[in-house]
Amino acid sequence: AQSVSQHNHHVILSEAASLELGCNYSYGGTVNLFWYVQYPGQHLQLLLKYFSGDPLVKGIKGFEAEFIKSKFSFNLRKPSVQWSDTAEYFCAVILYSSASKIIFGSGTRLSIRP
Amino acid sequence: GAGVSQSPSNKVTEKGKDVELRCDPISGHTALYWYRQSLGQGLEFLIYFQGNSAPDKSGLPSDRFSAERTGGSVSTLTIQRTQQEDSAVYLCASSLATDSPLHFGNGTRLTVT
Repeated sequence: AQSVSQHNHHVILSEAASLELGCNYSYGGTVNLFWYVQYPGQHLQLLLKYFSGDPLVKGIKGFEAEFIKSKFSFNLRKPSVQWSDTAEYFCAVILYSSASKIIFGSGTRLSIRP
Repeated sequence: GAGVSQSPSNKVTEKGKDVELRCDPISGHTALYWYRQSLGQGLEFLIYFQGNSAPDKSGLPSDRFSAERTGGSVSTLTIQRTQQEDSAVYLCASSLATDSPLHFGNGTRLTVT
């Protein structure tokens, strides 16, 4: 079945630590990839997206993600996290088919210790 | 409007009652999605609309759930004979096209007692 997997459910880091959140999808066709973020008490918003071209994409607030097609992965990274990065992060994939739809991973809660 | 609007923001209902959740997408957005977010779970896809038609209803959990969209704009998600396991935050999102980023509403928190 088509799915998006985020294996880290809760990540706890100290400020200035480096971050990498995993995202894998299972679908052999064409995909577009996204990372969304939900800060406490706020609605989901787009962090970055990959449609085509350079597989290393840069988003807002210093985040970046790399699409590795052979690994069906789209991991999110940030070299040095801040307390304000505390949020829930969702990987999302558009699966292009006869009825394209966007499906989300289960999310990763990121807690940053000040 | 400025963003996706959902109403009500909170709904408490008794088990067995019907509820109707409303979503006003951003004007001009042709794609509209409904997701469900339960505690400790991700975003569970329910249904999406392209215009007024729903190409994919595969995520609706049971036949108690239905959704419609009229005029290519407002959508309603109806849950009949609510059960406690229906308690969740129901999120609506819209986008310009199916391959565009989603704009989310603040959700409706449904509690079934």
